[in-house]
Order: sequence, then structure tokens, then C-alpha cells
Amino acid sequence: QLQVQESGPGLVKPSETLSLTCTVSGGSVSRGSYYWAWIRQPPGKALEWTGSIYYSGTTYYSPSLKGRVTMSVDTSKNQFSLNLTSVTAADTAVYYCAALRAPPYFYFDLWGRGTLVTVSS
Amino acid sequence: QSALTQPASVSGSPGQSITMSCTGTSSDVGSYNYVSWYQQHPGKAPKVMIYDVSNRPSGVSSRFSGSKSGNTASLTISGLQAEDEADYYCSSYTSSNTWVFGGGTKLTVL
Repeated sequence: QLQVQESGPGLVKPSETLSLTCTVSGGSVSRGSYYWAWIRQPPGKALEWTGSIYYSGTTYYSPSLKGRVTMSVDTSKNQFSLNLTSVTAADTAVYYCAALRAPPYFYFDLWGRGTLVTVSS
Repeated sequence: QSALTQPASVSGSPGQSITMSCTGTSSDVGSYNYVSWYQQHPGKAPKVMIYDVSNRPSGVSSRFSGSKSGNTASLTISGLQAEDEADYYCSSYTSSNTWVFGGGTKLTVL
């Protein structure tokens, strides 16, 4: 059964880079029927799509984060990652990784439990 | 891109039916049948309840149904139960190859 799980530091200093990894289990990150996504949720606020990546390396990023966000896939480790540079307090959020079912169906099928990242000095 | 518009809150009594809306634009909801709905209980990860406008994943109660008309999608929950109390988010694919979520609707079961 396909599962995804986030990992990474819970505290990042302002102006530094937030780096998170999502480990895929029960299936391959190279599975063509899925994209892989990051979605974040600031405390008490709504979900916000951050970006998506296909196993081939094709990426799609949120326009509001473009220039600061990069995603990558490591097929040898069955993981995908998120890097967000120059973070501020506004980037404090629970970050979820998710399996995005690819067309003909297109939706966030499986979600990790989420990891809280706080930006503070 | 702007977030999809959802009512902040809806409520209903056990056994009743409620419908919540999700309004987008011709660049997202109006152009694609890739609208999905997610249920989120406090402190938990979201769970997909409806995908591609009106499809229900295996294991989701048939009390949940979805529809779309123009730029507005809707989620209906019939036979409300206490366990349905949660936040609900809609999401849509967009013409920019991105995804957008709604601001969320808090469902209260009275």
C-alpha cells in the first residue's frame, strides 16, 4: 500500500533554506501514474499548493513562491524533496507531501501526516 | 492565482443534508473537471472525499457527492453525522498547470 512520509528540521532561521524530504513506501517514486507534491498549511489557515514534480524531473511551482522553491526526485532512494530559500516567518506552516494521481484522474490521493516547520531565530 | 472561494462555515443537524460551494473562474473550475474535495479533522492530514468533480474514492461513504455548474463546484453531504464535523477544502487544476485550493469551510454538526 502506497504511503508517503515527510522528514526534516522543525526549526529554520529566517533567511535560511528550508529543506524537507518525502519518503515513498509501498511503491516506486518512478511510478508513472503519480506526480509528487508539496502542500503547506500555515497555522489556522488554508491549504496552499507549493509545487509538484514528476519522476522525470518535470516541475511545476506555485507562482507565489517561484524563484524560491525547487523540488527534486531521487529515484535511488525513492524520495522527493523540497527546498525553499530565503524563508521568513510567513513560511511557518505544516508541510505535507502528497501523491498526486495523474490523469485521467487528477487529485491528491495520499497525504503524509505533515511536519510543522517554524521559521524563527 | 487567487484561492477558490468557499463559505467560511456551514452547519446542519444530524440526519440533515448540507451543500457547500466552491467558486473559481473560467481558468480553473470552469475549464477542467479536476475539482476535488478534502476533509480535514483538527490536527490531521486532509483526506480526499471527492475527485474529478463527482467521483468517490473507495471507502468514502456514499453520503458524500459532488457536482459542478460553470465556475462553481459543490459538495453535498446527506444524512449528516457527528463524525462529518471537520474542515472541507476544494481544489482545482488550473490553466497555468498549477493547483489552487479554496479557503476552506468549517462544517458544524449541531
